[in-house]
Amino acid sequence: AQTVTQSQPEMSVQEAETVTLSCTYDTSESDYYLFWYKQPPSRQMILVIRQEAYKQQNATENRFSVNFQKAAKSFSLKISDSQLGDAAMYFCAYKTGGTSYGKLTFGQGTILTVHP
Amino acid sequence: KAGVTQTPRYLIKTRGQQVTLSCSPISGHRSVSWYQQTPGQGLQFLFEYFSETQRNKGNFPGRFSGRQFSNSRSEMNVSTLELGDSALYLCASSGLADTEQYFGPGTRLTVT
Repeated sequence: AQTVTQSQPEMSVQEAETVTLSCTYDTSESDYYLFWYKQPPSRQMILVIRQEAYKQQNATENRFSVNFQKAAKSFSLKISDSQLGDAAMYFCAYKTGGTSYGKLTFGQGTILTVHP
Repeated sequence: KAGVTQTPRYLIKTRGQQVTLSCSPISGHRSVSWYQQTPGQGLQFLFEYFSETQRNKGNFPGRFSGRQFSNSRSEMNVSTLELGDSALYLCASSGLADTEQYFGPGTRLTVT
């Protein structure tokens, strides 16, 4: 079974600074997808960024980028120029490209606090 | 395009009762997945429906069931509610490519 581990229960960052959230996963699959979701206090899960395992290039979405290390099974999220609105719970998620279809496996989450 | 909607947003039920939650996916999306979120267990996959068929199921007891209608709207039902069923229930829909999932605002269920 696939597992996703986020080893940082809480992180904090100063506004305008950079922070990196860690995620490791375990799988024997070769075809899979990785995601970072953000859950603010409203509880609405928002997709931040996604990475296809077959792509070597790290995904980037504006101030958000990932460091995908396939051999190490590591998938970290870097938030640059942090803003107060980035404060939320962040979840790393895994989805196989095979017959698990719509099943996402989530990590336990990291609470990010942004200080003004 | 309207997002995923879930009704009701909040619900309070008594132990032993049953409950039905509803999820309307993004227009054109045919896959709907359900998740349970609790402080202790985190986010756990319940099941997924595609074109009115359940095609994946998580490790939950048979008290948890679901269905999907021809318009892709989905319902989940929990029978004989237990205190431990108190949780935020999230549904998510995805399109034909089945990679990204888009979540609704959730239904907060409290069992007393």
